[in-house]
Amino acid sequence: GAVVSQHPSRVICKSGTSVKIECRSLDFQATTMFWYRQFPKQSLMLMATSNEGSKATYEQGVEKDKFLINHASLTLSTLTVTSAHPEDSSFYICSASSGLGTGLFGTQYFGPGTRLLVL
Amino acid sequence: GIQVEQSPPDLILQEGANSTLRCNFSDSVNNLQWFHQNPWGQLINLFYIPSGTKQNGRLSATTVATERYSLLYISSSQTTDSGVYFCAVVRPGGGNKLTFGTGTQLKVEL
Repeated sequence: GAVVSQHPSRVICKSGTSVKIECRSLDFQATTMFWYRQFPKQSLMLMATSNEGSKATYEQGVEKDKFLINHASLTLSTLTVTSAHPEDSSFYICSASSGLGTGLFGTQYFGPGTRLLVL
Repeated sequence: GIQVEQSPPDLILQEGANSTLRCNFSDSVNNLQWFHQNPWGQLINLFYIPSGTKQNGRLSATTVATERYSLLYISSSQTTDSGVYFCAVVRPGGGNKLTFGTGTQLKVEL
């Protein structure tokens, strides 16, 4: 149980185009989803937190107009990278939590990630 | 914000060897977790361990919250243990937001 999927797993796009990444919780309802970015040989950095039906909360330094997040249902969140540029090339990882499990706010289950390459 | 430093940054082991990975954090935390990121990028939960000691097979972890560090022990390492190990913490009042450490890149060789 507690499986999170991401689609696509890899995407290559031209500079200036927009790319949408989907994150789905397959067997549980995710009240909260998180989006992370990981550059090569670096750690994961939290970009934003989204609760179903609410606007996402972005971390300091993350452009909310560039990284659009929609959490329209309890099983789906999307991240759209608008007008992508080569510096947006990275590994994007989502996680989802139902509020249950370990800790005060539940266990986060991680998706397999999406590799974005902007040419 | 909170700083989470891991050591060593890189580690190469022969199969069968034991190792200890360390995670130091700069402030008190509500939650500490250890993850393994496999070579394909998938993060795998290893331990939820805000304090105390836990064991799961060849892996065990100890967190001394009062001294702001956690240790991950890997015994009888196998090539499948290769990858990056991260600790991640949640600050008091931080909801469920994880701050990841700098990571330890582990390579286990035959």
